[in-house]
Amino acid sequence: DAGVTQSPTHLIKTRGQQVTLRCSPKSGHDTVSWYQQALGQGPQFIFQYYEEEERQRGNFPDRFSGHQFPNYSSELNVNALLLGDSALYLCASSLAAGFRLRVSYEQYFGPGTRLTVT
Amino acid sequence: DAKTTQPNSMESNEEEPVHLPCNHSTISGTDYIHWYRQLPSQGPEYVIHGLTSNVNNRMASLAIAEDRKSSTLILHRATLRDAAVYYCILRDEGPGTYKYIFGTGTRLKVLA
Repeated sequence: DAGVTQSPTHLIKTRGQQVTLRCSPKSGHDTVSWYQQALGQGPQFIFQYYEEEERQRGNFPDRFSGHQFPNYSSELNVNALLLGDSALYLCASSLAAGFRLRVSYEQYFGPGTRLTVT
Repeated sequence: DAKTTQPNSMESNEEEPVHLPCNHSTISGTDYIHWYRQLPSQGPEYVIHGLTSNVNNRMASLAIAEDRKSSTLILHRATLRDAAVYYCILRDEGPGTYKYIFGTGTRLKVLA
């Protein structure tokens, strides 16, 4: 059973460029969340996708956008890259049924994509 | 968003129990308490979660205070592989789904 996979592993971009990161959730999971983790900090929630819609969003500008596909995989897009966008970008998948059933299911995280903006 | 407070770092000797504290004084009645850990160069991994009662699994135990304003993650016998950053997280309820708000975590050092 494949866990959460992310691509690419590492990426170097220049200020002002655009980047797309990809995530495939754990088999059977339908919800994907994206996090940004700066060096030495905890992961910061960017947004969450379920049923191909953005359901929740953290305190990130509109330069950060995403998409979820019918097979539940997801993309994170960042436009007009800034030096401060350099970070580890983590994808996590989970089951939305936890909300409807009022129980808590854990999230499974991928290894992340290390983005460096120069 | 509900917040958690954890010590920045802790040390433990190998083979000894470790108690990692977390304060969450603004917790609401429906918030689950989750613990994740992040080993070097990896994404966070689930450790344990609970709502009101103490919980045990193969990795750890979670002790939740009666007023739910604090909790403690217990590693019964620390090993060198348990050296990681441990995050105490409250699940934040939103429209139709949840999100997880991470703090800065506790960096656990295990001494051989």
